[in-house]
Order: sequence, then structure tokens, then C-alpha cells
Amino acid sequence: QQQVKQSPQSLIVQKGGISIINCAYENTAFDYFPWYQQFPGKGPALLIAIRPDVSEKKEGRFTISFNKSAKQFSLHIMDSQPGDSATYFCAAGGTGRRALTFGSGTRLQVQP
Amino acid sequence: EAGVTQSPTHLIKTRGQQATLRCSPISGHTSVYWYQQALGLGLQFLLWYDEGEERNRGNFPPRFSGRQFPNYSSELNVNALELEDSALYLCASSAGRRVYNEQFFGPGTRLTVL
Repeated sequence: QQQVKQSPQSLIVQKGGISIINCAYENTAFDYFPWYQQFPGKGPALLIAIRPDVSEKKEGRFTISFNKSAKQFSLHIMDSQPGDSATYFCAAGGTGRRALTFGSGTRLQVQP
Repeated sequence: EAGVTQSPTHLIKTRGQQATLRCSPISGHTSVYWYQQALGLGLQFLLWYDEGEERNRGNFPPRFSGRQFPNYSSELNVNALELEDSALYLCASSAGRRVYNEQFFGPGTRLTVL
């Protein structure tokens, strides 16, 4: 019940295209959903996060869509750039537990 | 503002030895989290410390332990090292347990067990 399932495992997108990564969770106690970006040899960097009281959050080229009834959320990267090539992790957190439960990651490659 | 720092960057040990990893949180942050990232895998939660106390622990054996110091820095100890302990160990900090805040990660310590 603590799992967060992430797909796809890898994704290749052309420059300028839209990258879409999906996550699903089971535990309805989760109330915080961040996305992290990780480059090789670096720690994950917080990209964008959403709480269940909104269905969408946009920051620049990055948008989170959230479907509470389906227990799913997704990351959309508009106008994808080669510099976006990295591994992306979704995560979920609960007010009480605090620790984040991470998805397995999506390796994104944006081709020039 | 300085981010989360971790030391050492790399650590090589042999089976059965002990490893000590260190983390300094962002200034003003009182919560420190430890995660294990095995090669090609996601992050697994290890331990959470806040205001000097262990608040929660993940599904790891007791040979994984740690502590938080009065200045909120933290130490992760791994005893009786096993080959499968080889991983990137990440530390994150947040502003505190009373308010749910974003977690910011350090660069990690790469532990290799031979």
C-alpha cells in the first residue's frame, strides 16, 4: 500500500516535443506529491510539487496533473530540451510519516 | 545559501567493516532524512531525524543506525557491511516536522563494499 508505480521506465523524445511521465499510488493518506530531477552523479533536485486540493500545477515548462479519484499524477515537460535529459522520480508523502515514497524513476533522453 | 552537504563523496569498505556517513542540512532546517539508492533503482527511505530524535525508520535491518547532533547535522552508521549495501546514500533536509516542507537532497555518498 506504500508503493508508487512509475512509468515508463525510459523515454526518448525529440527536441521540442512533450515528455509525459505517469505515476500511480495506492495509499490515500498521501497528501504531497513532488517530482525530482536527477542528473548522473548528482543528488535529486526538487522540480515541482502538488497537493491533492488542486488538479494541476504549472511552473514554466513543467506541469503536474493530478487525478485524486484515480490516484494518479503525471509530469508533463513541454518543449523538451536536450538539457532536460535526466532521470525523473515521482514521490508521495504523508503528513504523518514525512518520509517520501519514491517511484522507480524514468530515464528521459531528449534528442536534438 | 549553502545546500545540503555530505561527506565523504566516496567510501570503499570491505565486507564486515563499519561505515560512517555524514550530512549537514541547510541552515535553519531541523529534519534530516537518509535514503538508499541502489544502482539503477529508486530511493528507499532509511531514517528520519528531527530535533535530535529518530522519528521514523524504513524497512532496513538494525545494523543501519544513525544520530542527529545538536547542530542538526547527522551521521549514518552501517555495521557489518554486506555486498548489497553498495549504493548511493542520500541525505535530505527539510524545515521541520511541524510543517510539511519540501525535502532538499545533498549530492550523496557512494559506498562500495568489496
